[in-house]
This record gives sequence, C-alpha cells and structure tokens, in this order.
Amino acid sequence: EAQVTQNPRYLITVTGKKLTVTCSQNMNHEYMSWYRQDPGLGLRQIYYSMNVEVTDKGDVPEGYKVSRKEKRNFPLILESPSPNQTSLYFCASSSDYNEQFFGPGTRLTVL
Amino acid sequence: AQSVTQPDIHITVSEGASLELRCNYSYGATPYLFWYVQSPGQGLQLLLKYFSGDTLVQGIKGFEAEFKRSQSSFNLRKPSVHWSDAAEYFCAVAGTGANNLFFGTGTRLTVIP
Repeated sequence: EAQVTQNPRYLITVTGKKLTVTCSQNMNHEYMSWYRQDPGLGLRQIYYSMNVEVTDKGDVPEGYKVSRKEKRNFPLILESPSPNQTSLYFCASSSDYNEQFFGPGTRLTVL
Repeated sequence: AQSVTQPDIHITVSEGASLELRCNYSYGATPYLFWYVQSPGQGLQLLLKYFSGDTLVQGIKGFEAEFKRSQSSFNLRKPSVHWSDAAEYFCAVAGTGANNLFFGTGTRLTVIP
C-alpha cells in the first residue's frame, strides 16, 4: 500500500531535549516536505526536499533541521525544542507537480 | 507572494443541502490549485486539483470546484452534503516550485441531520 508513515504519532517532551520525528514514504517520490498545523493558521511549510541531499527552507524553518540521505526518508529534527513548537506536524511526498500524499501526523507537546 | 484566503472559518449545513466553500488566492502567474479534506484525527486527503484546461474540475466524493481567474477564486461545491462530509477543508495554491504548497486557514464543515 502506498503510504507516508510518521513516527511517533504522539510525543510529549520537555524544553531543550533533542528529538527526531521520522518520515518515510514507499512511493519512490523525489519531493518530500514537512508542515506544521496550528489552529487558525492552517498548514505552514517548514522544510522541503527536491531530492536526496537537496533541502530548502519553507515558511517557518526556525528551530528545525532536516536531512535527506535516502530518497524514502526525511526526518525532522528539533535540536532544542521550545513550547512554541507544540503543534501537529505532517510529512508529505509527491512525485512531481502533482498530488502531495500526507502522513497521519505527529502531535508534539513541548513542556 | 502566494497566499490563500478562506473567508469562512466554520459553516453548518443540513444533510442533503448544497455546499459551497470559498477560496481566494493570490499568485502572479497561472496557479496550481488544490482542495484537501482533513477528517478529525486524520491526515489530509486530496479532493481535487486544477493545473490547466477545463476550469470546472471534478474530484472524489462528489465534489467539484471551479477556477475563475477574473475573481481569483477556486470555490468548492457539492450538490448534496452527506453526514460523512463533516471535516475541515483546506484550499492550497502551489508556489514557484509547484510542490511548495501555501494553505488557507481552513473551513470547518458541520453537517446537521
């Protein structure tokens, strides 16, 4: 089944404790991205990657890092999380100018 | 810069009634436009998309949308709403990379029996 998976689905952590949210897709898509969803703000893009070793900032990249060492994986790294990064995070992938497939989301709470 | 406005935060309709969700976009060139639906606790699912050609596009679940360049709009419609359509709906426009999506703030749809 074609899908985008994210882990963990739920995470509660404390300020400053490094964390990684994994994202993996099995559709051989070149393009992957990360969004955060906040009430009243919709989804905002954090980072995206056009292919392996090619990443670029989206609209709200501050406080986040990404890497794309393999085509299927695109982890999101928060090196020193802060409470304002409490949010719902979505990973997405697509093959070209086409439909973006979204993962199920990761709900992160930073205390 | 690209942007999307969904002026209705929350809409309530009766089951069986028609539905129109509004979306206005700002983009300098011909836009790529999308409508996504998010059911409670779920990810986003693509309903339909417009890249070029016929300005009336058909999507899944009986939805359609019409691209009107003169009004910078891409409104979503359904002739008869079902209770299962209750969800949040997001309009999005693609940026210069066409994969860089800019989302509206969403419209929450409630369906009453």
